[in-house]
Amino acid sequence: DAGVIQSPRHEVTEMGQEVTLRCKPISGHDYLFWYRQTMMRGLELLIYFNNNVPIDDSGMPEDRFSAKMPNASFSTLKIQPSEPRDSAVYFCASSPPPGTSGRISYNEQFFGPGTRLTVL
Amino acid sequence: EDQVTQSPEALRLQEGESSSLNCSYTVSGLRGLFWYRQDPGKGPEFLFTLYSAGEEKEKERLKATLTKKESFLHITAPKPEDSATYLCAVQANNAGNMLTFGGGTRLMVKP
Repeated sequence: DAGVIQSPRHEVTEMGQEVTLRCKPISGHDYLFWYRQTMMRGLELLIYFNNNVPIDDSGMPEDRFSAKMPNASFSTLKIQPSEPRDSAVYFCASSPPPGTSGRISYNEQFFGPGTRLTVL
Repeated sequence: EDQVTQSPEALRLQEGESSSLNCSYTVSGLRGLFWYRQDPGKGPEFLFTLYSAGEEKEKERLKATLTKKESFLHITAPKPEDSATYLCAVQANNAGNMLTFGGGTRLMVKP
């Protein structure tokens, strides 16, 4: 399996522009998570989906942020309009259904390589 | 509110010098405690899951242990390739599939 795929890997944009980050989870995983990582605040959960349905979005900073999961193999995180304080690394992660047997551990999350966003 | 505190923030070791990283947590019913390794420019990589106090898991030079209030990641005879940031996270029984992460410990092992 290719693992969690994120695009783009790097994004530089100007304040006020719309930014869209993309994620393809591991096939068969029914949980998808969006995180943001900064030096000041560490790794923060923004939102997560189960079977394409948003379950908890309490970590989304404000209305400028929105996330969608139109199908089991694709999710987007959109920032509109972007601001310099949104600069961070954004990670997508996926995990299998709880209690999956075999090598994969219960509730283990697999992370993508991240998108480094810089808003000027 | 679930909280995870890791110490120290940074740790410098000489190759072969064993040490331990600490993860203290408060959670309303622990479902699992997770350790991840993160290399610069990459996403966190899963290492271990611990589910109950007294449990231990090992992988190469790393051993993770768990008590009711904290977890330790013991590194025996580290090598330079063990240099990375080590993240601890907890999952509560009532938190769905969410993880709460600590701030991490940045480990540097010098040859």
